[in-house]
Amino acid sequence: EVRLVESGGGLVQPGGSLRLSCAASGFTFSSFWMSWVRQAPGKGLEWVANIKQDGSEKYYVDSVKGRFTISRDNAKNSLYLQMNSLRAEDTAVYYCARGGLSLFDYWGQGTLVTVSS
Amino acid sequence: QSALTQPASVSGSPGQSITISCTGTSSDVGGYNYVSWYQQHPGKAPKLMIYDVSNRPSGVSNRFSGSKSGNTASLTISGLQAEDEADYYCISYTSSSTWVFGGGTKLTVL
Repeated sequence: EVRLVESGGGLVQPGGSLRLSCAASGFTFSSFWMSWVRQAPGKGLEWVANIKQDGSEKYYVDSVKGRFTISRDNAKNSLYLQMNSLRAEDTAVYYCARGGLSLFDYWGQGTLVTVSS
Repeated sequence: QSALTQPASVSGSPGQSITISCTGTSSDVGGYNYVSWYQQHPGKAPKLMIYDVSNRPSGVSNRFSGSKSGNTASLTISGLQAEDEADYYCISYTSSSTWVFGGGTKLTVL
C-alpha cells in the first residue's frame, strides 16, 4: 500500500524557516518524481514544487523561488521542503504527492504551516 | 502562471450529468495532454479522478470522464450520486515545466 506521511509543520514567525518532511512507503521511491502542493485555509490547491527521481531537475512556482528548496533522500525514502523567509501568505496545508511528470496519483494527509507573529 | 479558469460552482440532481470546464491557454491546457482532475472532500486529501485528459485510474467509477478541445478541458460526471458532492480541481502542465491548478469548482448534488 502506497503511503505518504508529512511532518514538520507548525507555527512560525514571518521571516522564519521550517523544514517539511514526507516519509514514503509501499513503492519504489527512487523511481518516481515527487511534488509538494499546498492549500491555504478555505482556498484552492496550488502546486509548489517538484523533483525528478535523481534530484537532477527541480521546478518551483514563481512565488516561492529563491525561498523554498525541494530535495529528496532516496536512501531514506524521504522528500523534503526547506522553507525560508516565510510570509503570512505561505500559511497552508502542505501535501506531499507522488508524481510530477504527468499526474499526481497518491497524496499524503498534509501538514499545516501557520506563519504568524 | 495564472490559475486555470473553472466555474466556482455547479449543481445537479441525482442521476443527472454535469460538466465542469477548465480553461487555460496554448501554453498550458492547449499545448499538452497533461491535464488531470482531482476530487476533494472537506478535510480530506485530493483524489486523482482523471489523468492525461481522458484516462481514468483503476478504481475510479466510469461515470467520470474527461475531454479537451483547444484550450479548454472538461470533466463530465454522469449519473450523479450524493457522494460526488465535493470540490473538483483541474491541473495542467505548462510550457515553463511547472504545473498550474484551476481555482476549483464546488459541486452540489441537489
